[in-house]
Amino acid sequence: AQKVTQAQTEISVVEKEDVTLDCVYETRDTTYYLFWYKQPPSGELVFLIRRNSFDEQNEISGRYSWNFQKSTSSFNFTITASQVVDSAVYFCALTGPMDSNYQLIWGAGTKLIIKP
Amino acid sequence: DAGVTQSPTHLIKTRGQHVTLRCSPISGHKSVSWYQQVLGQGPQFIFQYYEKEERGRGNFPDRFSARQFPNYSSELNVNALLLGDSALYLCASTREGLNTEAFFGQGTRLTVV
Repeated sequence: AQKVTQAQTEISVVEKEDVTLDCVYETRDTTYYLFWYKQPPSGELVFLIRRNSFDEQNEISGRYSWNFQKSTSSFNFTITASQVVDSAVYFCALTGPMDSNYQLIWGAGTKLIIKP
Repeated sequence: DAGVTQSPTHLIKTRGQHVTLRCSPISGHKSVSWYQQVLGQGPQFIFQYYEKEERGRGNFPDRFSARQFPNYSSELNVNALLLGDSALYLCASTREGLNTEAFFGQGTRLTVV
């Protein structure tokens, strides 16, 4: 069965600190896709990144970076020089080939609080 | 272009009643998925529709049903509401399958009293 674990329920840091959100996944599939979404208080889930299982290159987008390691089944997300606007709940999600019954499997989310 | 739109934004219903939630996907997107998000948890998959056909169903009772119309908009229906159905219901729009980027609406907050 597929599973996504986000062990950090809540993280609180002071603005400008770097912060890493952890994501560990389980799957038997050799082809799968990993996602990160941001959910601000408004409720709308905002897509951040999609990574397929054959692409282990790390990715950087501005202050955001992602570290994908198949050896440890992890797909961690780092925010550099955090800002108050980064405060939100962040979800990691997984789907497999043929969409695994066409559903995204979600972690429980990590609530990130950035204090000014 | 308009994003994914859901209506209504908030809804209060009584136990045993029926509710219909609506979703309009992004123009050009043919697939709509529905998720239930209980406070403090990640979303749980309910249904996915593509080209008006059901492509996937999550572990929800038969009280939950959905359909997709020729214009790709979708409805989620829940019968015989229970208190436990209180949640944020999210609609996601993708061009085709879920392996691609999914765009979400702001959701419908359903409260069952």
